[in-house]
Amino acid sequence: EDKVVQSPLSLVVHEGDTVTLNCSYEVTNFRSLLWYKQEKKAPTFLFMLTSSGIEKKSGRLSSILDKKELFSILNITATQTGDSAIYLCAVDNAGGTSYGKLTFGQGTILTVHP
Amino acid sequence: NAGVMQNPRHLVRRRGQEARLRCSPMKGHSHVYWYRQLPEEGLKFMVYLQKENIIDESGMPKERFSAEFPKEGPSILRIQQVVRGDSAAYFCASSPRTLPGETQYFGPGTRLLVL
Repeated sequence: EDKVVQSPLSLVVHEGDTVTLNCSYEVTNFRSLLWYKQEKKAPTFLFMLTSSGIEKKSGRLSSILDKKELFSILNITATQTGDSAIYLCAVDNAGGTSYGKLTFGQGTILTVHP
Repeated sequence: NAGVMQNPRHLVRRRGQEARLRCSPMKGHSHVYWYRQLPEEGLKFMVYLQKENIIDESGMPKERFSAEFPKEGPSILRIQQVVRGDSAAYFCASSPRTLPGETQYFGPGTRLLVL
């Protein structure tokens, strides 16, 4: 069965700290790995990773994929209270077929205190 | 370009009633996915639809749940004879196609509470 596991499940830090969120996966037909940020409403897209070793950056957030070891990390530097959210990792495991079915991890709840 | 729209945002039903959840994909998107998020759990894939076709319903419970995406109008997720265990947030996502590199964009979700 396809599986995506995130760690830690929750994390509490203070503003200015740097955090690293982990995502490991076991899927049959890997196509890409995605990170989403979920606050009180819709998950919002952060990154899509398809190739190993290429870091993607957006402001204070960055992410990288290791397809050999089957994991990805999401880094957030200089955290702010607005970074408090659930961070979701998902794998698109459609492979050669033509649909993008996502398998999600359980999420990491990040709380940033002022 | 409006994002993915879902309605209602909150829905309360009594056990045994029917719940109908609607999803309008982003303009130009013809692929719709429904996910369910149970309390304290991650999102779980339910069904993938294109216009007038169900492509993959491997995540749908075998009974009481159905989905459609008609030629005109929104996609509908229908839950008949709801039970307390159906209480969850139901998210819809859409994408323009399913080629590698395409991202799914999520709606705000419908939070269903079954009393």
